Amino acid sequence: TQLLEQSPQFLSIQEGENLTVYCNSSSVFSSLQWYRQEPGEGPVLLVTVVTGGEVKKLKRLTFQFGDARKDSSLHITAAQPGDTGLYLCAGRIIQGAQKLVFGQGTRLTINP
Amino acid sequence: GAVVSQHPSRVICKSGTSVKIECRSLDFQATTMFWYRQFPKQSLMLMATSNEGSKATYEQGVEKDKFLINHASLTLSTLTVTSAHPEDSSFYICSARDGGSWEKLFFGSGTQLSVL
Repeated sequence: TQLLEQSPQFLSIQEGENLTVYCNSSSVFSSLQWYRQEPGEGPVLLVTVVTGGEVKKLKRLTFQFGDARKDSSLHITAAQPGDTGLYLCAGRIIQGAQKLVFGQGTRLTINP
Repeated sequence: GAVVSQHPSRVICKSGTSVKIECRSLDFQATTMFWYRQFPKQSLMLMATSNEGSKATYEQGVEKDKFLINHASLTLSTLTVTSAHPEDSSFYICSARDGGSWEKLFFGSGTQLSVL
């Protein structure tokens, strides 16, 4: 059972278009992070959201944490080919041992 | 520059041999390190949490005798895949946490293991 459901898993769009990636769960997380991973490399942290309803912006990327801290979204405005990559959401479980669980990932391709 | 160094980046071995992967925090002390496994085009699956000076905590379904984890110092954790078989072929990634902040969680560049 996947604790974090990420959608879509694959997305291919044209340069200049907007897109949104979703990360959903029935569990509550103390925080949620978004990572980007290049082939053959480890993930690199983009942002951490902690408070329900929190919105953070990183240039053309907007991250939102759901009010109930069960879901999050990543919105990219005017996508560019350089945005191509694997985007992963990861939630920190509240109960028990502290650990990070990852969504399935969204493989994003921006075509010139 | 990289703050977590993972070595080797790629290893090819024969079935039945053991392979050791190292994960080092370069400029901070990591009391906790994590080991993940990633299959092609899939997400990271947590294998175990490595605690300095104590036994690792393994996730359900991960064989602790198969994947030996040693965290002997505050800057080094090792994962040994014992008696490797082709089904163990995968991309293994470690991460290390700098202090108590989850925003200071850094990942290694991964190790691609291919078992022939």
